[in-house]
Amino acid sequence: DVKVTQSSRYLVKRTGEKVFLECVQDMDHENMFWYRQDPGLGLRLIYFSYDVKMKEKGDIPEGYSVSREKKERFSLILESASTNQTSMYLCASTPLTGNYGYTFGSGTRLTVV
Amino acid sequence: RKEVEQDPGPFNVPEGATVAFNCTYSNSASQSFFWYRQDCRKEPKLLMSVYSSGNEDGRFTAQLNRASQYISLLIRDSKLSDSATYLCVVRGNQGGKLIFGQGTELSVKP
Repeated sequence: DVKVTQSSRYLVKRTGEKVFLECVQDMDHENMFWYRQDPGLGLRLIYFSYDVKMKEKGDIPEGYSVSREKKERFSLILESASTNQTSMYLCASTPLTGNYGYTFGSGTRLTVV
Repeated sequence: RKEVEQDPGPFNVPEGATVAFNCTYSNSASQSFFWYRQDCRKEPKLLMSVYSSGNEDGRFTAQLNRASQYISLLIRDSKLSDSATYLCVVRGNQGGKLIFGQGTELSVKP
């Protein structure tokens, strides 16, 4: 089974802190994605990456950055956390080609106080 | 217009009922289609892929109509454990990016 592992299930951070969310996948997938999910708003794409050192903005990149130094690892960075970034963050991966869906990590529920 | 639109929920049904979810997508170049299930406070998990010829997995049947850009999911003999949010998902022609519908919440009652 493909595994996508997110480093933390629950995080509480203070406003203004720099926050790192880590995601690791073990199936050599080229594509990796970061979403946030909020009630009534569904899944919203923050950033994605097709390859090492490559990144593309999603629909809501403001306030976030990403890093992909190794193929298996995709990090989401909140440069200066704000209360409106309190959310569930989901990482996903999929092969570059073929008719595959995503495999999601179990999510990180981030609370910014 | 949203790229993937689903029936608004929630659907509240008794055990044993048959329930159908509908979904439309706007990009005719979409390549692949899926239904995901998401339990409360958990990550979405792939329920089934949707093929042009239609496909079935136990009590679940998925249909795709490319001409109408329409996807459906039928759940027969619903169980309490089917209570979840069902997400209609489309894979476009831009690499591996998936487009998610807003989801339809299903609640199966005894």
